[in-house]
Amino acid sequence: EVQLVESGGGLVQPGGSLRLSCAASGFTFTNYDMQWVRQTAGKGLKGLEWVSVIGIDGDTYYPASVKGRFTISREDAEKSLYLQMNNLRAGDTAIYYCARVGRYGALDYWGQGTLVTVSS
Amino acid sequence: DIQMTQSPSSLSASVGDRVILTCRASQNINNHLHWYQQSPGKAPKLLIYSASHLQTGVPSRFSGSGTGTDFTLAISSVLPEDFATYYCQQTYSSPGNTFGQGTTLVI
Repeated sequence: EVQLVESGGGLVQPGGSLRLSCAASGFTFTNYDMQWVRQTAGKGLKGLEWVSVIGIDGDTYYPASVKGRFTISREDAEKSLYLQMNNLRAGDTAIYYCARVGRYGALDYWGQGTLVTVSS
Repeated sequence: DIQMTQSPSSLSASVGDRVILTCRASQNINNHLHWYQQSPGKAPKLLIYSASHLQTGVPSRFSGSGTGTDFTLAISSVLPEDFATYYCQQTYSSPGNTFGQGTTLVI
């Protein structure tokens, strides 16, 4: 059974840092690109936004909103995915999900999410 | 950036109804379009990939169609567990990708 389990969320002050982890099991981790997606809580929980992608070859990609502040990485031997978040802002407050990139780029498995709150 | 617009934002239905949700892309994305279902307190779940392909394990009452800029997700006969929020996602601009704002199916 494919499982993705995130950890590391919490409350952090603006300008602070946080490192999220995602432990993968039940599949050959080295065969898949992986992605972080966040969901902001505006009017209800909506607003899904891709945060970063890492390929099986280690290539990384980010949207403009987090580029230069967030770093995605993977440790294949540990079957783990990471997201280092620096210089956090209030707008980064969200639930962060890790997800497996499956066929045709669809996200076929998601973790349960970890909440990051940026507030003073 | 490719923008994804879902309509309506909220849809009322009864158990047994056939419902159709719509997703429109701001430019041609061929069939690089996927649908997800999110129940309260849960992570999104993949329903349909590449516009019309049913993900393994997803009931056949769900179906997707469309290509280019206009896409639909249909539920042939709504069950109580189908009341949730549905999102479309384009991966044409991969590795970047964009989600729609969601359609909430309510009783």
